[in-house]
Amino acid sequence: QQQVKQSPQSLIVQKGGISIINCAYENTAFDYFPWYQQFPGKGPALLIAIRPDVSEKKEGRFTISFNKSAKQFSLHIMDSQPGDSATYFCAASGNAGNMLTFGGGTRLMVKP
Amino acid sequence: GAVVSQHPSWVICKSGTSVKIECRSLDFQATTMFWYRQFPKQSLMLMATSNEGSKATYEQGVEKDKFLINHASLTLSTLTVTSAHPEDSSFYICSALSGSNNEQYFGPGTRLTVT
Repeated sequence: QQQVKQSPQSLIVQKGGISIINCAYENTAFDYFPWYQQFPGKGPALLIAIRPDVSEKKEGRFTISFNKSAKQFSLHIMDSQPGDSATYFCAASGNAGNMLTFGGGTRLMVKP
Repeated sequence: GAVVSQHPSWVICKSGTSVKIECRSLDFQATTMFWYRQFPKQSLMLMATSNEGSKATYEQGVEKDKFLINHASLTLSTLTVTSAHPEDSSFYICSALSGSNNEQYFGPGTRLTVT
């Protein structure tokens, strides 16, 4: 599997702040980039996803920024809340539904 | 929304025994399901891709004779861990591919502990 590198491994943010998680990929054939949120003992849940034809996608407090030339994409969580404390995974695939390659995960803690 | 269930949610078995985990797509048909394994504080690692009516495709390093996968219907895939060992203890997660929108939906996971 091609690698997807995710950083940071852990992140602490104050309530109301912005959480930023970054991912970089190698395979230029990737054309689908989802972000998943996982709470302890639960399966991952799709948060938001983007395709390379746009540079940004926003859904509520969650925004994906995509830089095709740099082969990087990031998740921004605006107005972070304690309930956002979870592990976040970026992923990439050749197209939606194909085999997903996951990043290493980021454990986010939002302090009240 | 699309819902995927797993059963059981947790299981404890003795070393040498076999355990079966079920993955069901509750409100959609899934021609393809994926099985992942996740160790504590680590990412999801794809074990195999399960296609309805055909043999599963296993990732490199995953023993197909140890992790038996059956995808007998469009809503059910099963993973059987045979002759389980303590090192097989992990969190097993399935996902199902919806044919209507080509999105993967994940199950809640099954915690396996082998004693």
